[in-house]
Amino acid sequence: DTAVSQTPKYLVTQMGNDKSIKCEQNLGHDTMYWYKQDSKKFLKIMFSYNNKELIINETVPNRFSPKSPDKAHLNLHINSLELGDSAVYFCASSQVDRSQETQYFGPGTRLLVL
Amino acid sequence: QKEVEQDPGPLSVPEGAIVSLNCTYSNSAFQYFMWYRQYSRKGPELLMYTYSSGNKEDGRFTAQVDKSSKYISLFIRDSQPSDSATYLCAMVRGSYIPTFGRGTSLIVHP
Repeated sequence: DTAVSQTPKYLVTQMGNDKSIKCEQNLGHDTMYWYKQDSKKFLKIMFSYNNKELIINETVPNRFSPKSPDKAHLNLHINSLELGDSAVYFCASSQVDRSQETQYFGPGTRLLVL
Repeated sequence: QKEVEQDPGPLSVPEGAIVSLNCTYSNSAFQYFMWYRQYSRKGPELLMYTYSSGNKEDGRFTAQVDKSSKYISLFIRDSQPSDSATYLCAMVRGSYIPTFGRGTSLIVHP
């Protein structure tokens, strides 16, 4: 009964490869996000989707392309992986309730680019 | 200068101590303030959510916001080894997209 799940948990790959990370939430939330947490623990938002529509796209290289097939899923595809893409990628979902927005994070995908 | 500043620590305290974790921010447009706890190799989880100056208490945790000084704090009373984690502050401007601090690593030793 995991609320926000991500696959894979670990991803080790070579520079130049293309890879995808999948996220699913069973909370019935309308909004989903992708965050990147670097080695210094900074957590930065990359994308936000609301009801399958892209609403936030921070300054992210266009090698990163999110796709939301339905409200419960938000996948992240990365083309031509670079060393600097190594990080932990977190998916999150949220719902606004009485002006309070609570984000629920997945367990993270640890990406290492060699 | 980053929008949200947070000392990464680590902060090491004995069990039972009162812990004080802090963040400063530069943008007065921030309206909502949150504290997340992140255990090693896990995603962050929301601990406290406040949107006004003053104190908010929840069990052993107290969140404090001082908008005039652009300063927020999280106090943990009677700290336990299970409180050992990284604590991230986060702030929201109104679009509900949070800006996070880099997190403070807390170690509570028995």
